[in-house]
Amino acid sequence: DTAVSQTPKYLVTQMGNDKSIKCEQNLGHDTMYWYKQDSKKFLKIMFSYNNKELIINETVPNRFSPKSPDKAHLNLHINSLELGDSAVYFCASSQGGQGRRNTEAFFGQGTRLTVV
Amino acid sequence: AQSVTQPDIHITVSEGASLELRCNYSYGATPYLFWYVQSPGQGLQLLLKYFSGDTLVQGIKGFEAEFKRSQSSFNLRKPSVHWSDAAEYFCAVGALFSGGYNKLIFGAGTRLAVHP
Repeated sequence: DTAVSQTPKYLVTQMGNDKSIKCEQNLGHDTMYWYKQDSKKFLKIMFSYNNKELIINETVPNRFSPKSPDKAHLNLHINSLELGDSAVYFCASSQGGQGRRNTEAFFGQGTRLTVV
Repeated sequence: AQSVTQPDIHITVSEGASLELRCNYSYGATPYLFWYVQSPGQGLQLLLKYFSGDTLVQGIKGFEAEFKRSQSSFNLRKPSVHWSDAAEYFCAVGALFSGGYNKLIFGAGTRLAVHP
């Protein structure tokens, strides 16, 4: 059973298009994240939701819009895709309520987005 | 500022040799530290974590790490490397931000190559 699953695994699209990446976790966690890994493998948090509520938005362009329909799902929609959006996007989840730093995050397999 | 530094971008070792990957952190409070591994085309898998207690922590796949507060370090070690250990290794610190929620701050990663 996959704990954190993302779809699609690969996404190739043209500039200007709109695309979505879906994420689901079956761990019963209350917090989900989107991380972006750039071409140099650097990982940076983009968003975090706790119990469907947005709690982190790390100065990401507003072309990126996360949506969490329930605790187990966190989707990422990207409008007007640009070349610079090409990266690997990772979904993660944790049991990370307030004040809890001592909690590990479980990651999905990643979605490799290529904008051409 | 909160940060994680992995000084070695790329390390190559021979199979059977010992390994040490360096990690230094900057965090104002008690650090919660993690090592993740990313195999090619895969997501991130937790190797080990340090929250408190014994400063030498054991992880999966024969890895261990030692927390040294005086040096702000959390180096990863393995006594004998296997070819399957070739991967990207990320050190991370669990950080609190406004609202008391947590996120992971990652280092830039160290790519490990293993010679037969």
